[in-house]
Amino acid sequence: GAVVSQHPSRVICKSGTSVKIECRSLDFQATTMFWYRQFPKKSLMLMATSNEGSKATYEQGVEKDKFLINHASLTLSTLTVTSAHPEDSSFYICSASPNSGGPGGELFFGEGSRLTVL
Amino acid sequence: KQEVTQIPAALSVPEGENLVLNCSFTDSAIYNLQWFRQDPGKGLTSLLLIQSSQREQTSGRLNASLDKSSGRSTLYIAASQPGDSATYLCAVPPQGGSEKLVFGKGTKLTVNP
Repeated sequence: GAVVSQHPSRVICKSGTSVKIECRSLDFQATTMFWYRQFPKKSLMLMATSNEGSKATYEQGVEKDKFLINHASLTLSTLTVTSAHPEDSSFYICSASPNSGGPGGELFFGEGSRLTVL
Repeated sequence: KQEVTQIPAALSVPEGENLVLNCSFTDSAIYNLQWFRQDPGKGLTSLLLIQSSQREQTSGRLNASLDKSSGRSTLYIAASQPGDSATYLCAVPPQGGSEKLVFGKGTKLTVNP
C-alpha cells in the first residue's frame, strides 16, 4: 500500500510555544490530506481537510487559528499547533489517499505524532 | 449524521481461536468501508477496503463482510495469533460521501499465548 509518513513521532513542549507536525505522502501525490486527533479510548476525530494550494476546511468546533494547516505541495501538509496548552496534548494522525478528489478511495495513515504540552 | 459503533469494545481470546469483530453504521448510503489495525501509540494500518458494490474482501487470515442494507460489517480473523493483538477500527465516509472517514471507537483485541 501507499506510504504516509509523519514527523515528529513524539514532541514535548512548554505551554505557550508552537509545534509543527509534518505529513508526507512518500510514493504518491495527494491533493487532499486529512488531520485527525485521537483522545485515549475515543474515536479518531477529524479536525480538518488539507487542500493543496488552498485553505484548509475545518470541522465544526476546531479552531482554525489554533491549528494552522498548510498544504504547500502535493506531498506535504503541515499542522502547526499555535500557543499550545496542556489541553492540546493528544495524538495527531494524518491521512491521504492516492485517489484524491473523489470518494471511494483507500485512505492511508501516518504513524501519528504524540504531543505533550507541559 | 453518520455514526459508527463497534462491538465488543474489548475481546480476549486464546491463541488459535477464530473470532468476529462487529461494526455497525447508521447511514447505509456509503461508498465503502475500511478496516484498520492500530497498535498502541502507533498510526493506523489499513487492513481491508470493501467497496459498496462488494459483499466481502479477504486478505490472508482476515475476511471482512459488508451488508449495506442492514448497516453492518464484520471482520473475521481465523486462527488468531498473539501478534494479532491490537485495536481494530472500522470507518466509513460521512453522509454525502467523501474521502474523509467517520470512525468507531474500536475493538481492543488481546490474543493470549
